[in-house]
Amino acid sequence: EAGVTQFPSHSVIEKGQTVTLRCDPISGHDNLYWYRRVMGKEIKFLLHFVKESKQDESGMPNNRFLAERTGGTYSTLKVQPAELEDSGVYFCASSQRLAATDTQYFGPGTRLTVL
Amino acid sequence: AQSVSQHNHHVILSEAASLELGCNYSYGGTVNLFWYVQYPGQHLQLLLKYFSGDPLVKGIKGFEAEFIKSKFSFNLRKPSVQWSDTAEYFCAVNPLGGNEKLTFGTGTRLTIIP
Repeated sequence: EAGVTQFPSHSVIEKGQTVTLRCDPISGHDNLYWYRRVMGKEIKFLLHFVKESKQDESGMPNNRFLAERTGGTYSTLKVQPAELEDSGVYFCASSQRLAATDTQYFGPGTRLTVL
Repeated sequence: AQSVSQHNHHVILSEAASLELGCNYSYGGTVNLFWYVQYPGQHLQLLLKYFSGDPLVKGIKGFEAEFIKSKFSFNLRKPSVQWSDTAEYFCAVNPLGGNEKLTFGTGTRLTIIP
């Protein structure tokens, strides 16, 4: 069974540019989460999809971040325009059931560097 | 709002030493508790989790954790570490019966010296 995949693995962009991160969850997993880790700090929740619907987007930093999950399969997270403080590792995770006890399976992360 | 504290930022041990990594959480209700590990170059993966029952939970690779409700703690232990345990370890919580989003600690980097 394929795990959660993320693309790209690393992105370096200039301040003001746009970047789109992609996450492919495990097949059949309705729940998809985005998290972010800024260097040296904790991994922080950004948002949660159930199929194509946003269940919880309370962690999104501001309106420069836009997440989509068309058709309830893969998801994209777009940052436009990128700022220096957006640098960090963006993790995607998926789980099968809508239950707090269900295991979230993480992808390898996308390391975003904004110069 | 809930929070998780991992007081050890970097732990260095020799092989065969015993390990205990601290995790304390702050939350007014009942929580589910998780330990995740990220080996160098790999994904975050679940080591173990607790949501009810026996407060001593056994996970993969010989790890265990004990939930002590009175201390709001969920410390990770391993009696004898190996070089391959070198990794970063994350404690996480979410509310029992509540939102699924995980609240993580800052992580503990573990280095095992052969």
